[in-house]
Amino acid sequence: NAGVTQTPKFQVLKTGQSMTLQCAQDMNHNSMYWYRQDPGMGLRLIYYSASEGTTDKGEVPNGYNVSRLNKREFSLRLESAAPSQTSVYFCASSDSVAGFFGSGTRLTVV
Amino acid sequence: GQQLNQSPQSMFIQEGEDVSMNCTSSSIFNTWLWYKQDPGEGPVLLIALYKAGELTSNGRLTAQFGITRKDSFLNISASIPSDVGIYFCAGRNYGGSQGNLIFGKGTKLSVKP
Repeated sequence: NAGVTQTPKFQVLKTGQSMTLQCAQDMNHNSMYWYRQDPGMGLRLIYYSASEGTTDKGEVPNGYNVSRLNKREFSLRLESAAPSQTSVYFCASSDSVAGFFGSGTRLTVV
Repeated sequence: GQQLNQSPQSMFIQEGEDVSMNCTSSSIFNTWLWYKQDPGEGPVLLIALYKAGELTSNGRLTAQFGITRKDSFLNISASIPSDVGIYFCAGRNYGGSQGNLIFGKGTKLSVKP
């Protein structure tokens, strides 16, 4: 059981570059989420998708876009990376009760 | 939006000690969840609580869903070195926003020097 798979695990970007973080889940969950984790800030929701075809902004959506490609996949795009987006990014999917997390993408923007 | 206040922010443990942490909210939740995050990994679900007053154990971990539905606590008995990590509470509200899953800021457990 793979659960939630995120790629890449590590990435270094230059300011202004773009990239897409990929996430896929094999648990047939309707809901998927993108969080960022910064020291002392806990998990902050960037975007979520309650079901295939729908996406909504979370607490910190600025500078990001998302695509719910199908039920399995939910990608996060940084169009023009900024140093403030240096963080660890987690994708999660959930059933009616709990969220299940990927192992994270550590992104550094220089 | 809804917020969870988790305390303490950090604590040091000595092997064998009991540990307690809690989460409070101004809003009602239908489900409370407790997660643990090891360094370099994503949070992993420890315990899920489904109804007010519920007390649930998972090995040395015990969690309770508060009667008011606005709080929850997690106890760890007889701590061991592998208990170190960050513990997150999360509340689930099926009628709310933010994807219905709200996280506290975490309690970081470290070993006493």
